Amino acid sequence: QVQLVESGGGLVNPGGSLRLSCEASGLIFSDFYMSWIRQTPGKGLEWLSYISSSGNTIYYADSVKGRFTISRDNAKNSVHLQMNSLRADDTAIYYCARYRSGSADSWGQGTLVTVSS
Amino acid sequence: EIVLTQSPATLSLSPGERATLSCRASQSVGNYLVWYQQKPGQAPRLLIYDASNRATGIPARFSGSGSGTDFTLTIGSLEPEDFAVYYCQQRSNWVYTFGQGTKVEIK
Repeated sequence: QVQLVESGGGLVNPGGSLRLSCEASGLIFSDFYMSWIRQTPGKGLEWLSYISSSGNTIYYADSVKGRFTISRDNAKNSVHLQMNSLRADDTAIYYCARYRSGSADSWGQGTLVTVSS
Repeated sequence: EIVLTQSPATLSLSPGERATLSCRASQSVGNYLVWYQQKPGQAPRLLIYDASNRATGIPARFSGSGSGTDFTLTIGSLEPEDFAVYYCQQRSNWVYTFGQGTKVEIK
């Protein structure tokens, strides 16, 4: 059974940085593309970034391009999201998800990021 | 960026009724359209991929149709556990986008 566990969320000041991690189990991690998706409280979903199985192909939503960096460590079955220059509107629950053929078929439970002074 | 517009924002129905949810894309996404269900306090769950294919374990009362810019998710006969928020997502290009969601609530 696929399990994805996010960590690293918390309270951060505007302009600050945070690094989220997602550890995967129950799958051959290096076979799959992974994404980060966020959800603002009471609002909808926003796809943020995508990394290929090898890490060679990466895409970002315009809203985070230049501020967020996705990476992965296939030896440790983990994917990360480095978030810099955080703003109040980055406050959200951040999910990692396994993508297969463009569909997120496994999701973590999410980690809450709050950007506030 | 491809914008997905879902309608209606809220659908009020009774158990046993048929639900029809719409997702319209700002430009053609072919059949690269995905549907998810989300219940309060839970992560989304994959329902339909590539417009009309049910994901593993999804009941047959859920069906998807459409291509190009207009897509529909139909729930044939609502069960109590189907009252939730439904999102569409396009994967037509490498920058994915979600619709804003349709809430299916009990009338």
